[in-house]
Amino acid sequence: DAGVTQSPTHLIKTRGQQVTLRCSPISGHKSVSWYQQVLGQGPQFIFQYYEKEERGRGNFPDRFSARQFPNYSSELNVNALLLGDSALYLCASSLQFLNTEAFFGQGTRLTVV
Amino acid sequence: QQQVKQSPQSLIVQKGGISIINCAYENTAFDYFPWYQQFPGKGPALLIAIRPDVSEKKEGRFTISFNKSAKQFSLHIMDSQPGDSATYFCAASTYSSASKIIFGSGTRLSIRP
Repeated sequence: DAGVTQSPTHLIKTRGQQVTLRCSPISGHKSVSWYQQVLGQGPQFIFQYYEKEERGRGNFPDRFSARQFPNYSSELNVNALLLGDSALYLCASSLQFLNTEAFFGQGTRLTVV
Repeated sequence: QQQVKQSPQSLIVQKGGISIINCAYENTAFDYFPWYQQFPGKGPALLIAIRPDVSEKKEGRFTISFNKSAKQFSLHIMDSQPGDSATYFCAASTYSSASKIIFGSGTRLSIRP
């Protein structure tokens, strides 16, 4: 069975640009969460989506947005990129909204120059 | 505000030795405490997890010890092997926000052959 898949794996963007990251959860999983992992730190929660609705949001500016599609895949959008947005962006899927076991993808490495 | 504090930042252990990583939390609403293992270029992978109604959980060479009154928990890796060399994150979440996982800052573990 395929795990959580994320695309692209690496991305380089210029300051001020916009970026879209994509995530496909494990088959049958309905909950998708996004995390930002800055080099040398633990992942930080950005969003959780379940059944296409936002169910949780971390302490990130409105430049960050996300959505979930009917097939439970998800996109994370970041507008007006800053140098500080450079990080590994991780997607995690879980079976249900209140399911505690989260499975992470390999992440998208975003570099803002 | 860091809700899960992890130490040490880095750890070097001889092959066959015991690796010990410690964490402390502040929010008494946390009721799920997972440990994640992360290799370079990969997303975090769930290693072992515990709930506060038990004081210890063992899976193979990995053991979590949990002290609810002290709000502390630790990971012990017995008979440490070079393949255990990775970054380890303790984490915590609540039932009502199961996918909002709060991660510690990570411990970079190196096992010397």
